[in-house]
Amino acid sequence: GEDVEQSLFLSVREGDSSVINCTYTDSSSTYLYWYKQEPGAGLQLLTYIFSNMDMKQDQRLTVLLNKKDKHLSLRIADTQTGDSAIYFCAEDYGQNFVFGPGTRLSVLP
Amino acid sequence: EPEVTQTPSHQVTQMGQEVILRCVPISNHLYFYWYRQILGQKVEFLVSFYNNEISEKSEIFDDQFSVERPDGSNFTLKIRSTKLEDSAMYFCASNSDTGELFFGEGSRLTVL
Repeated sequence: GEDVEQSLFLSVREGDSSVINCTYTDSSSTYLYWYKQEPGAGLQLLTYIFSNMDMKQDQRLTVLLNKKDKHLSLRIADTQTGDSAIYFCAEDYGQNFVFGPGTRLSVLP
Repeated sequence: EPEVTQTPSHQVTQMGQEVILRCVPISNHLYFYWYRQILGQKVEFLVSFYNNEISEKSEIFDDQFSVERPDGSNFTLKIRSTKLEDSAMYFCASNSDTGELFFGEGSRLTVL
């Protein structure tokens, strides 16, 4: 079946950039997504990228898509303590969305 | 800003009991979903619903589960006879044709 993989943990210092990586298997996805989950909360859509784009920038967030390698990344510039959360990569697969396991981002002061 | 709302936020139940989780999707959305997340694990697809019927379901969504849209606004997930392993956070989501999936805050189910 379709699979989305992410590294599980990332620690960065406040003010540094964070890069969260994701690989996926379904090359027919139309969109790829990044969701953020804060402790005890629901999934919040951060950003998404159309599959024929290479890059999308939205304020502190930069999404890079390498379709050939099926690799998606999320860069957070000037990471703040409020960015501490779990970040899920997801791809659409038919009417379904397939999520990665999530990357827990810890921001150290 | 429109949002998906879910109730209850937390439910504790005894094993074998029936549970109904409720969701109010965004009003002009056409596709509705239930996902679950067992503590510390990945978000898993359960079922999608369109045009008053199930359009896709995962192997997790067995005969113990059912979904219903009883009126124009609610979308419910029923678990007929809960098991310990049903303990999880259940997320409702909805979208229109544009693809962006909006999630509710989740309903935490604890089965004792």
